[in-house]
Order: sequence, then C-alpha cells, then structure tokens
Amino acid sequence: AQSVTQLDSQVPVFEEAPVELRCNYSSSVSVYLFWYVQYPNQGLQLLLKYLSGSTLVKGINGFEAEFNKSQTSFHLRKPSVHISDTAEYFCAVSERLGGAQKLVFGQGTRLTINP
Amino acid sequence: GAVVSQHPSWVICKSGTSVKIECRSLDFQATTMFWYRQFPKQSLMLMATSNEGSKATYEQGVEKDKFLINHASLTLSTLTVTSAHPEDSSFYICSARDWTGVETQYFGPGTRLLVL
Repeated sequence: AQSVTQLDSQVPVFEEAPVELRCNYSSSVSVYLFWYVQYPNQGLQLLLKYLSGSTLVKGINGFEAEFNKSQTSFHLRKPSVHISDTAEYFCAVSERLGGAQKLVFGQGTRLTINP
Repeated sequence: GAVVSQHPSWVICKSGTSVKIECRSLDFQATTMFWYRQFPKQSLMLMATSNEGSKATYEQGVEKDKFLINHASLTLSTLTVTSAHPEDSSFYICSARDWTGVETQYFGPGTRLLVL
C-alpha cells in the first residue's frame, strides 16, 4: 500500500518570498502524483499533477513540482508567493493499477503568507 | 471544465434523523465517484468508492448501513447519513473521476454536517 508524508505541517513565509512544500511517498508500484489546495471551508482544487513524461510539472497560480523517482519525492514550489496563496496544501498519490485508483493523501501543509 | 457540485453546502439536523448529500459532475460524465470525510485540521479520509450502476465499495471501518451511497447516473452520486449522531458531524467531500480515464479526481466544495 502506498503512503504519503508531508514533512512540514506549517510553513510561514513572507510575501514575495519563494516557498517549497515537501512531499515524499512510498509505493511498491508506479504512481500518479498530485497537489491539491484547500481554502477555508472549501473543497480541494487541483494545482498540478504528474502522470508521465517530463518530471517538472507546471500548474496553476504559478506553482510547479518536480517528480524525483530516486528520492520518491514530489516537492511543490513557487518562486514568489502572494497573500492569496494562504491555504492548506495536500499532496496525494494513486497507484497505477487497473480499475478505480484511490487517492491517498498526505497530512497537509498549512501555508501562511505574512505581509 | 471539470466542475463538481455538492448540495447542500451546510446542514444542521437533529440526532436520529437522516441526511442526504448530493454530488454532481456538471460538465463531464463520471463512472466513478468518491466520498471523503475530513475532520478539523486533518487530511481527507476515503469513505467509499461509488461506481455508476453498482454497489459502492467501502473502506475498512466505514459502516455501509450507516453511510448509504447511491450512484444512479453518470453525473450523480448521493450519500445518505442514516440515523445521524453528533459524532457524524464532519465535513464531507465528494470527488468525481473523469470518465475518459485520465487519472484525475475533481472535488466538490464539500458539505458541512452538524448533528445536534
């Protein structure tokens, strides 16, 4: 079974500074990887995903992530954050198996942008 | 595209009553929908996988007789919390998988349930 670890539960950053949210996973098979963002009292919005191909994935709102198979990581980055990026961020993985793949989520990282 | 709606967004009910939550994929067909539960400041926990026209598959520890799931069409799945109790109070979120097979789940805005 796969698992996801988000190494930081909270990340405070000043506005316009760069940020990296870390995500590591474990799985015995190939996986798909996702980052979702959740604003207060809302559902999850897909930021970006890695299915195959280029290991550097660009998403919405200026975010990008890099899949590193050897380190089993999928860290999320943004070169310059904005106040509106304050939210909870979830890394998720699903295994490349037949049928309806289930998503397994990390514990979440609360990103707080300070002015 | 890929919009998922949930109704209602908020519901308050008395202990012992049943509550139905709807999840709709608005602009795509979803052969598979998922139901999650999220407690405050925690991650999402998968409750069940719902496939159109067949019985839902429940995760270990989730009572299928308490959380009834129906997926009657390619755009609608419902979750009914039967005989709700205060411990059922939570944030319930559904997601729908794009039927073309692209491995992506799109999430609804969630339903906050408060059982008094």
